[in-house]
Amino acid sequence: EIVLTQSPGTLSLSPGERATLSCRASQSVSSSYLAWYQQKPGQAPRLLIYGASSRATGIPDRFSGSGSGTDFTLTISRLEPEDFAVYYCQQYGNSPLYTFGQGTKLEIK
Amino acid sequence: QVTLRESGPALVKPTQTLTLTCTFSGFSLSTSGMCVSWIRQPPGKALEWLARIDWDGDKFYSTSLKTRLTISKDTSKNQVVLTMTNMDPVDTATYYCARVLVGGRTAFDIWGQGTMVSVSS
Repeated sequence: EIVLTQSPGTLSLSPGERATLSCRASQSVSSSYLAWYQQKPGQAPRLLIYGASSRATGIPDRFSGSGSGTDFTLTISRLEPEDFAVYYCQQYGNSPLYTFGQGTKLEIK
Repeated sequence: QVTLRESGPALVKPTQTLTLTCTFSGFSLSTSGMCVSWIRQPPGKALEWLARIDWDGDKFYSTSLKTRLTISKDTSKNQVVLTMTNMDPVDTATYYCARVLVGGRTAFDIWGQGTMVSVSS
């Protein structure tokens, strides 16, 4: 089973700053199979990025994804107040089909 | 517009069987490539994938929970049902259904609002 480890656990930044979130896999993951989600309190997760770098429908271009192999990154170029939330990475593979990271909380500094 | 909505009991007793229903609109689970999954999230914790059912009837389950889970679909009603047997307090969580990304099946593009299930005697 592939384990996804996200870092940092909590990231404290101010609006306007750049955020860099990391997702490291215990084994190599195809870039096509890595996704990122945003979750706000009391809400369902929202798909941001799929295929490591493709933005989902309606996602602002300040969100970008990159990486390959075992190291993937979600970057938010300039933080807006509504971006403070928990972010999860997720991979698609075999047994189990889908696994999630433990999440990174992005909080206002 | 694609929407999904979960329904089921808010409280179940230990050892009981949980039955959750996902009612969706805006797509058909008889269309080639369509899939629906169930995912859960214990309070304050991370997401955990549970099961997936495909348009052609294929079913996939979490390795650790497969002996307790059954997923099924009623295409005519636009519903997907998940049953989980032998419920335990550690199964307390918000349960989500989600449409699987069409084409790649690699992610979940539309989610329901979730339904909170507590397991307690």
